[in-house]
Amino acid sequence: GQNIDQPTEMTATEGAIVQINCTYQTSGFNGLFWYQQHAGEAPTFLSYNVLDGLEEKGRFSSFLSRSKGYSYLLLKELQMKDSASYLCAVRDEGNYQLIWGAGTKLIIKP
Amino acid sequence: ETGVTQTPRHLVMGMTNKKSLKCEQHLGHNAMYWYKQSAKKPLELMFVYSLEERVENNSVPSRFSPECPNSSHLFLHLHTLQPEDSALYLCASSQDLAGGAETQYFGPGTRLLVL
Repeated sequence: GQNIDQPTEMTATEGAIVQINCTYQTSGFNGLFWYQQHAGEAPTFLSYNVLDGLEEKGRFSSFLSRSKGYSYLLLKELQMKDSASYLCAVRDEGNYQLIWGAGTKLIIKP
Repeated sequence: ETGVTQTPRHLVMGMTNKKSLKCEQHLGHNAMYWYKQSAKKPLELMFVYSLEERVENNSVPSRFSPECPNSSHLFLHLHTLQPEDSALYLCASSQDLAGGAETQYFGPGTRLLVL
């Protein structure tokens, strides 16, 4: 079956680094997305990985290992505004639909 | 700032009511989506439209009825809903349906409560 796993909730300290993991089991693979969703707001696009390796975009980086069915989102120099849910989604090969994880709620403490 | 707007933002309705959710995208996209988001559950894709034609209906109960009059507007008509239909309903759009890096852009959602 198709499955995306992420931790339900994580807590981190302002100024620190946090890594949010995502593992997937899908019949095919055509890219992995990370979205950020603040409470009561729209999910907003953060990153897209289709090749193995690390993609860096300011304080946020996303890593992909296709052989392991694994990705992580790395957030550096955490700020209070980073408190949000982070959604992982995989696009199956030959399909426009996205398979979504349940999201990881990240709580930042001072 | 995402270019996708949804109204109303909050809706409370009884099980016998009829209401409609509206979505508008200002991005010139050709594909639009309705999702249901329940607490601690993955997003559930409900309907997909491409160039105003419905291309996906993921076994959604008939009490949900979508309408896409043009490529910028999408509606979700609701009637005789059940309490378990209470959720956040998200609209999204993308340039096209093609896979790969095609990114979906979301509206802020309508928080629906069915009493």
